[in-house]
Amino acid sequence: DAGVTQSPTHLIKTRGQQVTLRCSPKSGHDTVSWYQQALGQGPQFIFQYYEEEERQRGNFPDRFSGHQFPNYSSELNVNALLLGDSALYLCASSLGWTSYNSPLHFGNGTRLTVT
Amino acid sequence: GNSVTQMEGPVTLSEEAFLTINCTYTATGYPSLFWYVQYPGEGLQLLLKATKADDKGSNKGFEATYRKETTSFHLEKGSVQVSDSAVYFCALSDAKGAQKLVFGQGTRLTINP
Repeated sequence: DAGVTQSPTHLIKTRGQQVTLRCSPKSGHDTVSWYQQALGQGPQFIFQYYEEEERQRGNFPDRFSGHQFPNYSSELNVNALLLGDSALYLCASSLGWTSYNSPLHFGNGTRLTVT
Repeated sequence: GNSVTQMEGPVTLSEEAFLTINCTYTATGYPSLFWYVQYPGEGLQLLLKATKADDKGSNKGFEATYRKETTSFHLEKGSVQVSDSAVYFCALSDAKGAQKLVFGQGTRLTINP
């Protein structure tokens, strides 16, 4: 049973560019959340997708956008990259977006470096 | 807003020592509380959780009790092993849904043989 898979594992971009990160949820899960983890910090919630709609959003600017596909996979897009966007981006999946009994399953993340 | 504060690391212990990692929180309502662990090169894994006051979560010898009166959720283990070396994160859920988590800054734990 495949867990949460993310691609690519590492990415280097230049300031001002745009980037797309991808996530496939664990089999049977229908909800995807994205988190940003800066070096030495805890993850911060970016947003969550369920039924192809953004359901909740954290305190991130509009440069961060996402999408969920009918097969439940998801993309995170970041426009006009800043040096401060360098971080580990984690995808997490679960069953249902309001179920308190469905724990999050995290992928290993995509390490984004902006130069 | 909601927030989580963990004891600062890094923490270094010898094998078989007793472990406590402190975690306190600020939240409106009645959040669920979690401990996640991140091993080197891996994603976060749920270690244990508690969903209401006085609940005790436990897993792999680790325990934490949801203390509403002190707004705390300290992680404990009676005898640590080298394999417990990892970064530990305390987190709480937004009352609107368990999937929106607020994390502490993490505590790096190293266990020496």
